[in-house]
Amino acid sequence: GAGVSQSPSNKVTEKGKDVELRCDPISGHTALYWYRQSLGQGLEFLIYFQGNSAPDKSGLPSDRFSAERTGGSVSTLTIQRTQQEDSAVYLCASSLVRQATEKLFFGSGTQLSVL
Amino acid sequence: AQTVTQSQPEMSVQEAETVTLSCTYDTSENNYYLFWYKQPPSRQMILVIRQEAYKQQNATENRFSVNFQKAAKSFSLKISDSQLGDTAMYFCAFMKDTGNQFYFGTGTSLTVIP
Repeated sequence: GAGVSQSPSNKVTEKGKDVELRCDPISGHTALYWYRQSLGQGLEFLIYFQGNSAPDKSGLPSDRFSAERTGGSVSTLTIQRTQQEDSAVYLCASSLVRQATEKLFFGSGTQLSVL
Repeated sequence: AQTVTQSQPEMSVQEAETVTLSCTYDTSENNYYLFWYKQPPSRQMILVIRQEAYKQQNATENRFSVNFQKAAKSFSLKISDSQLGDTAMYFCAFMKDTGNQFYFGTGTSLTVIP
């Protein structure tokens, strides 16, 4: 596609429910990142995928968070048993090469609200 | 650990005027990259400008320029001839030369006043 696509744009869920957030990176981009943006905070790194390498999961805040990237393209971020503190904008970004010193392309994010 | 500090939560500037957004960072690394990203209301982050730490010359992109002071660990963004479309959140970011993580500041909300 023309850009990084994320869905849904907005998601409202009840505490304790599971949610799945989707990211469709730019075709051919090998690197994919997930970030979380909480109100009044900077962007928090969550996870990084590069090609077929094992993902860097060092930023995932708890074991309720997981992500996968199928076929080196679409990625899904799953949050189990959501909590109110999970409410945030979840941003996905992709780039053509491993090092993000190349240009990162961001999606418009998913606004997650946990009631 | 790397930290990025943006001490100005909000700023405003008159259209056509110049504004400077400040950013400081803390790192023990010698080689790294610094970035300014713009996030308009659409939420989609856009790269504004990038600086490599080993380059002494300040990066410039049209109306946007940086003042990079490596010893002081300072990386400010100057926007000249401000336009209404510059209204957005601006994030300063740091990345190690060998890493794949961005470290972001908390952002500065800039409003350009007509």
